[in-house]
Amino acid sequence: GAGVSQSPSNKVTEKGKDVELRCDPISGHTALYWYRQSLGQGLEFLIYFQGNSAPDKSGLPSDRFSAERTGGSVSTLTIQRTQQEDSAVYLCASSLMSGQRYGYTFGSGTRLTVV
Amino acid sequence: GENVEQHPSTLSVQEGDSAVIKCTYSDSASNYFPWYKQELGKGPQLIIDIRSNVGEKKDQRIAVTLNKTAKHFSLHITETQPEDSAVYFCAARAGGSYIPTFGRGTSLIVHP
Repeated sequence: GAGVSQSPSNKVTEKGKDVELRCDPISGHTALYWYRQSLGQGLEFLIYFQGNSAPDKSGLPSDRFSAERTGGSVSTLTIQRTQQEDSAVYLCASSLMSGQRYGYTFGSGTRLTVV
Repeated sequence: GENVEQHPSTLSVQEGDSAVIKCTYSDSASNYFPWYKQELGKGPQLIIDIRSNVGEKKDQRIAVTLNKTAKHFSLHITETQPEDSAVYFCAARAGGSYIPTFGRGTSLIVHP
């Protein structure tokens, strides 16, 4: 597509439930990133995928968070047993290459509210 | 790891004035410095970037300067317009790392 697509745009869930957030990157972009943006905060790195390489999961805050990327394209971020502190905007970004020459294209994000 | 400090957190200017946002970084190996603009309800959008082999880059009303010795870089917006109102993020990325470190953002408000 023309841009990075994320769904849903908004998600309200009850504490303790599992949620899945989807990211559809720009066609042909090999690198995909997930970030979390809490109210008034900067961008917190969560996880990075590059091609068929093992993902860099160093930013995941707990084992309740996981992500996968199927076929080198669509990615799903899963949060299990959601907590109120998980409430945030989850942003996905993709780039043509992961090297220095290419900036990110971000999606519009999924606003997650845990009640 | 890299640490990026961004100032100010909020900047209010009158239309037509200039705006300057400053960032400092800690890792001398950082060599790529992008700036992103985030409008309400949207994801950040890359507006300009600079690499460590240049000291300044301009694109119409926006410019970025880099001082490698002092490890700081700045975004300059001239002749500000209300549509420049947004949150601006700086970032720094070291060679060999594929993950930039972002500043905490600056909320720019341009009053008509």
